[in-house]
Amino acid sequence: GAGVSQSPSNKVTEKGKDVELRCDPISGHTALYWYRQRLGQGLEFLIYFQGNSAPDKSGLPSDRFSAERTGESVSTLTIQRTQQEDSAVYLCASSLGPTGSQNEQFFGPGTRLTVL
Amino acid sequence: GIQVEQSPPDLILQEGANSTLRCNFSDSVNNLQWFHQNPWGQLINLFYIPSGTKQNGRLSATTVATERYSLLYISSSQTTDSGVYFCAVERRGSYIPTFGRGTSLIVHP
Repeated sequence: GAGVSQSPSNKVTEKGKDVELRCDPISGHTALYWYRQRLGQGLEFLIYFQGNSAPDKSGLPSDRFSAERTGESVSTLTIQRTQQEDSAVYLCASSLGPTGSQNEQFFGPGTRLTVL
Repeated sequence: GIQVEQSPPDLILQEGANSTLRCNFSDSVNNLQWFHQNPWGQLINLFYIPSGTKQNGRLSATTVATERYSLLYISSSQTTDSGVYFCAVERRGSYIPTFGRGTSLIVHP
């Protein structure tokens, strides 16, 4: 079936504006992750959704960042009042479930965010 | 939190050469994955391998969980193998993966 999709693929915005990034996980995957990858760096965990449980927001860098997910479908990551240090690629991954081999993660192509 | 160290950080090969990439981790894990990030930024699953050995074509991986390391072997490298290889682990009791900083591989024709 289809893989994880993300939109937009690229987003250029001005400092201070709000942006919304979208992730469509693989159908049937209950777990969904958001990561940030700065240029030349590894992946930084942001937030984790599992089914209808409360999300794990422990990786969100500030209160300007928030994310929502309706059930086991689409998720949106919102960054308010963007700053230049928010420029990065934002990656979404989904997995079948939270435990063992179910948690093999599959990644989307990412959204490249540039804040001018 | 768990520490994940990958080595070498950079690797340059001639096409046809073999290589071994290493991932060391500081605690017991219940999940370990290897990914290849191609030059366009897409992360591609290579192996889900919390323990044991797996092979897929020219690639193979071995995880020795009791000694807290995993190895990724690339044989007869090709230019399309270029990119960054990441190891990601989940500490026992956690569902949040920690990624290493990656090994950047360049394969020259």
